Amino acid sequence: QVQLVQSGSEVKKPGASVKVSCKASGYTFTSYGITWVRQAPGQGLEWMGWISAYKGNTNYAQKLQGRVTMTTDRSTSTAYMELRSLRSDDTAVYYCAGGSRGDGYWGQGTLVTVSS
Amino acid sequence: QAVVTQEPSLTVSPGGTVTLTCGSSTGAVTSGHYPYWFQQKPGQAPRTLIYDTSNKHSWTPARFSGSLLGGKAALTLSGAQPEDEADYYCLFSYSGARVFGGGTKLTVL
Repeated sequence: QVQLVQSGSEVKKPGASVKVSCKASGYTFTSYGITWVRQAPGQGLEWMGWISAYKGNTNYAQKLQGRVTMTTDRSTSTAYMELRSLRSDDTAVYYCAGGSRGDGYWGQGTLVTVSS
Repeated sequence: QAVVTQEPSLTVSPGGTVTLTCGSSTGAVTSGHYPYWFQQKPGQAPRTLIYDTSNKHSWTPARFSGSLLGGKAALTLSGAQPEDEADYYCLFSYSGARVFGGGTKLTVL
């Protein structure tokens, strides 16, 4: 069965970077892209960007341009999202989604807390 | 950046029908916005219900349907069940970049 399994929670200081992983299984990794979404506490969903697992081309949300980098490792069927220059308002649960047409499968989420 | 607008909250009676909508600040919503609909229950990851306006996943209950209605994207729930109480989000594509709506809290009461 298709699964997206994310890395564990992180606590970071302002100005640091975080890299969240999303390991895919149960399907051909390069067949579908990976979308990254985040959700601040008590808030709605925010689209962060998308990466093609086949070609590696990306599309990032304008507000995160310059701070976010999405990559994939086809050898391990893993997608990564790195966010730099962290601020307190980056505190959120970060999700990856993909695995089918229409982003049918979601990771369990990774809580990233930014605090001094 | 475009703004996607949803009803903040709606209430439906068990067995009733309700339509959630999403509008775009750029004008009428079309199939070219590739509307998605997601359901999220407290403490859970979102679940994708509808993609590309009206396509369902294998797990999407038949009582949910997606469409375009009056220049907006619409999610219609026919025969609401208590387990449908959740937050619902739409997502639109704008030339590759995507934007979520603010979400609708649906109460089944």
